[in-house]
Amino acid sequence: EVQLVESGGGLVQPGRSLRLSCAASGFSFDDYAMHWVRQAPGKGLEWVSGISWNRGRIGYAESVKGRFTISRDNAKNSLYLQMNSLRAEDTALYYCAKDMGILRGLLITARNDFDYWGQGILVTVSS
Amino acid sequence: EIVLTQSPATLSLSPGERATLSCRASQSVSSYLAWYQQKPGQAPRLLIYDASNRAAGIPARFSGSGSGTDFTLTISSLEPEDFAVYYCQQCSNWPLTFGGGTKVEIK
Repeated sequence: EVQLVESGGGLVQPGRSLRLSCAASGFSFDDYAMHWVRQAPGKGLEWVSGISWNRGRIGYAESVKGRFTISRDNAKNSLYLQMNSLRAEDTALYYCAKDMGILRGLLITARNDFDYWGQGILVTVSS
Repeated sequence: EIVLTQSPATLSLSPGERATLSCRASQSVSSYLAWYQQKPGQAPRLLIYDASNRAAGIPARFSGSGSGTDFTLTISSLEPEDFAVYYCQQCSNWPLTFGGGTKVEIK
């Protein structure tokens, strides 16, 4: 069974930093791209960042570019999001999501859609 | 950035009725479009990928169609558990983007 469990959220003051983690299990983590998606209270979904299986491709939403850094440790089956210079508008539930992937030859290529999601972790930026 | 516009924002229907949800992209995404369902307090669930393919375990009453810039999610006969918010998402270009959502509520 695929499981994605986020941790590291909480209340933080504007301008400070926070690091989110996502522990993955139940699939071959190092075969798949992974993503972070967030949802502000009462609002819609926003893709935050994505990373390919081998870190060869990394992308960010404009709203977080230069402040957030995505990373992964395939040996630990873990995904991370380092969030610096946090703003009130970063307040949201942050989801870790697995890319569905598609097998092309011997490699699984990112499809950019999300077949499994964690339950989310709340980040609140407030003084 | 590709902008996705969903309509209507809210759809008020009764169980057993047909629901038709629309998603329009600001530029062509070919067939690289997904649909998700989200219920209160839950993570989103993938329903449709590549515009028209049902994800694993999704009932046949859910169907997707379209390509290019215009897409439709159809629920042929609403069950009580289908009342939720639905989002489309383009998978064509980074940054990936979602539509604003359509809430399907009980009339």
